[in-house]
Amino acid sequence: TQLLEQSPQFLSIQEGENLTVYCNSSSVFSSLQWYRQEPGEGPVLLVTVVTGGEVKKLKRLTFQFGDARKDSSLHITAAQPGDTGLYLCAGYNFNKFYFGSGTKLNVKP
Amino acid sequence: GAVVSQHPSWVICKSGTSVKIECRSLDFQATTMFWYRQFPKQSLMLMATSNEGSKATYEQGVEKDKFLINHASLTLSTLTVTSAHPEDSSFYICSARQQGHTQYFGPGTRLTVL
Repeated sequence: TQLLEQSPQFLSIQEGENLTVYCNSSSVFSSLQWYRQEPGEGPVLLVTVVTGGEVKKLKRLTFQFGDARKDSSLHITAAQPGDTGLYLCAGYNFNKFYFGSGTKLNVKP
Repeated sequence: GAVVSQHPSWVICKSGTSVKIECRSLDFQATTMFWYRQFPKQSLMLMATSNEGSKATYEQGVEKDKFLINHASLTLSTLTVTSAHPEDSSFYICSARQQGHTQYFGPGTRLTVL
């Protein structure tokens, strides 16, 4: 089993604050995805990172893949209430996706 | 973007009955489909990997005789929960992979077993 640990598990912040979510593993992954999930819905893909050290930006979201492809981070600038949700990272290896434990983000107006 | 549908979106059944959940890729052919289950406030747990025309590969601890998976075409996979019991109540989510490292998720099916 290739475990991915996310931290923090829960995060409650005020609108306008910045935050970073971490996704760590002892395993090397071919790629890593970040998803956001709303209650009662399936996860929605935010980004896929493939190359070690890769940085991708999606508006106020910045994703980074670690140099060794074992970890990743998601940074949100000036969080908004619409960013509230469950953030999941998933590593890909051997035709499978291994999900992290999830980070529940609540952005208060 | 790629669209994956699931049917039904929710189902309530009596203990001992079987329930079938369908997963369809609507605008692409999926070489592989995955089935996950998710308990409240938890992450997704991979149950099985399904490749078209071949037997599904189940994760450790998942009973293949209880969770029957059929991937008859490149756009359809089904999960049948046989002899369902209350502990099988969960949110079941499928995903489809066209190629490469990207999977697209269905909206999920909420199963409640009474």
